[in-house]
Amino acid sequence: SQQGEEDPQALSIQEGENATMNCSYKTSINNLQWYRQNSGRGLVHLILIRSNEREKHSGRLRVTLDTSKKSSSLLITASRAADTASYFCATVPNAGNNRKLIWGLGTSLAVNP
Amino acid sequence: GAGVSQSPRYKVAKRGQDVALRCDPISGHVSLFWYQQALGQGPEFLTYFQNEAQLDKSGLPSDRFFAERPEGSVSTLKIQRTQQEDSAVYLCASSRRDTSNQPQHFGDGTRLSIL
Repeated sequence: SQQGEEDPQALSIQEGENATMNCSYKTSINNLQWYRQNSGRGLVHLILIRSNEREKHSGRLRVTLDTSKKSSSLLITASRAADTASYFCATVPNAGNNRKLIWGLGTSLAVNP
Repeated sequence: GAGVSQSPRYKVAKRGQDVALRCDPISGHVSLFWYQQALGQGPEFLTYFQNEAQLDKSGLPSDRFFAERPEGSVSTLKIQRTQQEDSAVYLCASSRRDTSNQPQHFGDGTRLSIL
């Protein structure tokens, strides 16, 4: 079953604007990861944030993690039409030797030129 | 080097037939995962291998689903006596080391349609 929820479910913005997506999860985690999926393609890893980290940057991406609220956000700055995709958060539960990813339902982002 | 390769990209089968889906992970990657993704949903975990050992198969929905990775590289997901609810995209992913802080590298999936 899905671990978490992303909001919004869908987001439409203009090129150059920033896009913020949020993710909530239910159980204690080892780490949280964000992935992008273009239509009809596999998922591409964007960024991994560990449970003891609060913020991480990679290029135009900024991820925050609040373990007390069991939530994370992904900010894409200066968006481009090529950023149009679905974005998923996924968690690795902090139990045993877990390796599997537990996924949210995703946010569909449309960046209009 | 090459990414994760899955074949076939599309598979159409009649209800009751058996199907086999293949995954070629990135060379040298220790861990291999199978996920099922329904339309408009996030992926759902099916099973995980560390080399040739299947360490977690808790996500396999029924005993009609079977996965193997006999030599620790290529993996096959087999579905017997397919049902319409098996229609989905089946995604394979691999990661370089067997630790929890590893990104997973995905193939483009096999879209399975059961008529």
